[in-house]
Amino acid sequence: ETGVTQSPTHLIKTRGQQVTLRCSSQSGHNTVSWYQQALGQGPQFIFQYYREEENGRGNFPPRFSGLQFPNYSSELNVNALELDDSALYLCASSFQGANEQYFGPGTRLTVT
Amino acid sequence: QQQVKQSPQSLIVQKGGIPIINCAYENTAFDYFPWYQQFPGKGPALLIAIRPDVSEKKEGRFTISFNKSAKQFSLHIMDSQPGDSATYFCAATSSGAGSYQLTFGKGTKLSVIP
Repeated sequence: ETGVTQSPTHLIKTRGQQVTLRCSSQSGHNTVSWYQQALGQGPQFIFQYYREEENGRGNFPPRFSGLQFPNYSSELNVNALELDDSALYLCASSFQGANEQYFGPGTRLTVT
Repeated sequence: QQQVKQSPQSLIVQKGGIPIINCAYENTAFDYFPWYQQFPGKGPALLIAIRPDVSEKKEGRFTISFNKSAKQFSLHIMDSQPGDSATYFCAATSSGAGSYQLTFGKGTKLSVIP
C-alpha cells in the first residue's frame, strides 16, 4: 500500500509569482484535502476535492485553487504569492464518508 | 475564532512519566476527535481517535479520555519514551459538514527526557 506523496519537498518563490503543488493520494482513497500549516501552528483547512470537484472550503481567498484528476491525485495552485503564504502545505487523503485522514510529508513553501 | 483550544503549549516529562494533553471544543456538531503526532519536517500522523459515544479509548500506550458534557478530551501517553518527543495536535470534525474538514488545536510540543 502506497502512502500519500507530495512534490516538491521544498520550494522558494518570489512575491507575486504563482506556484503549483502536487499530491498523490493513498491507494484506495478518493478524496483529497489541502491544509496550510504556518510555523508553530496547527494545520488550517484550505479545501477538499472529491469526484474532481471542490467539496468544502476554508477561509482562504480565491487565489488558492485546486484540481483533482481521475486517478484522485490533486494540485494546489496559489496565485499572486504573498509573504504570509510561506508555510508547510499538507495534503491528506481519505475515503469519502470516512473521517480518517492521512497526511503526506508536506511541501515547504518559502516566499521572499 | 479558535474552535479547538489545546493546552499546554509545551510539556517536559521524564522517561516513564505520563504526559497529559488537554483539548476543549465549542462546536457541539463535532463528532470525531483524532489526535495527530508530528515530528520535525514530517506530516502529521494519525495516532488515535474517538467518537463522543465512548468515554475512553486505548491503543497501546496512548489513551483518549472524553467528557462530552464538558466538551473536553485529553491524550495520555503511558510509560513515555524519548522517541515520543514530538508535537501533538488534537483535532475535531463533523460528519454532518460533508467535507469532514479537520479543525486543529495549536499543538503541544512534548519533550521526554531520558
